[in-house]
Amino acid sequence: DAGVIQSPRHEVTEMGQEVTLRCKPISGHDYLFWYRQTMMRGLELLIYFNNNVPIDDSGMPEDRFSAKMPNASFSTLKIQPSEPRDSAVYFCASSPTGGNEKLFFGSGTQLSVL
Amino acid sequence: DQQVKQNSPSLSVQEGRISILNCDYTNSMFDYFLWYKKYPAEGPTFLISISSIKDKNEDGRFTVFLNKSAKHLSLHIVPSQPGDSAVYFCAASEGGGADGLTFGKGTHLIIQP
Repeated sequence: DAGVIQSPRHEVTEMGQEVTLRCKPISGHDYLFWYRQTMMRGLELLIYFNNNVPIDDSGMPEDRFSAKMPNASFSTLKIQPSEPRDSAVYFCASSPTGGNEKLFFGSGTQLSVL
Repeated sequence: DQQVKQNSPSLSVQEGRISILNCDYTNSMFDYFLWYKKYPAEGPTFLISISSIKDKNEDGRFTVFLNKSAKHLSLHIVPSQPGDSAVYFCAASEGGGADGLTFGKGTHLIIQP
């Protein structure tokens, strides 16, 4: 199994630009999570999906952030417009059934907004 | 407000000795706890977990202890090895955990030769 695949690995952009992060979960996993890691706040849950439906987006910091899951094998996290404070590592994770199942993380996208 | 707290940003331990990583939580509804390990440029990977009905879970060199009354858990690694150098995240969930995990900020463990 290829695991959770994220792209790009690194993204450098200028303030005001649109950024799109991509994730392919492990096949058969019904839950998909987007996390953000910063020094100040550690790993924060932004949003999660169950069977492609967004369940809880209360962690999304602002309306500039949006996430979609058009099918079971693909999700995007979009920031428009991006700001320097959005600089962080963004992780996608998937889980077979939610519950207390452990999460399987991708390698993350290192985002730098200049 | 951090519901899961790891108050030591870093910890240095000599190879062969015991490493003890600590974690405190504030949400009394948490009933399942996990530790994740993260190497640079990689995503976190699951290490060990414990349910609130237990106070200890052991897996090889790794043991997690849970003290519910103190809302405290710890991860013991013995003996510590160079490959254990990584960032360790404590995580917790409640009510089956379907809402995802709440993570601490992590502790960077450095194993010195």
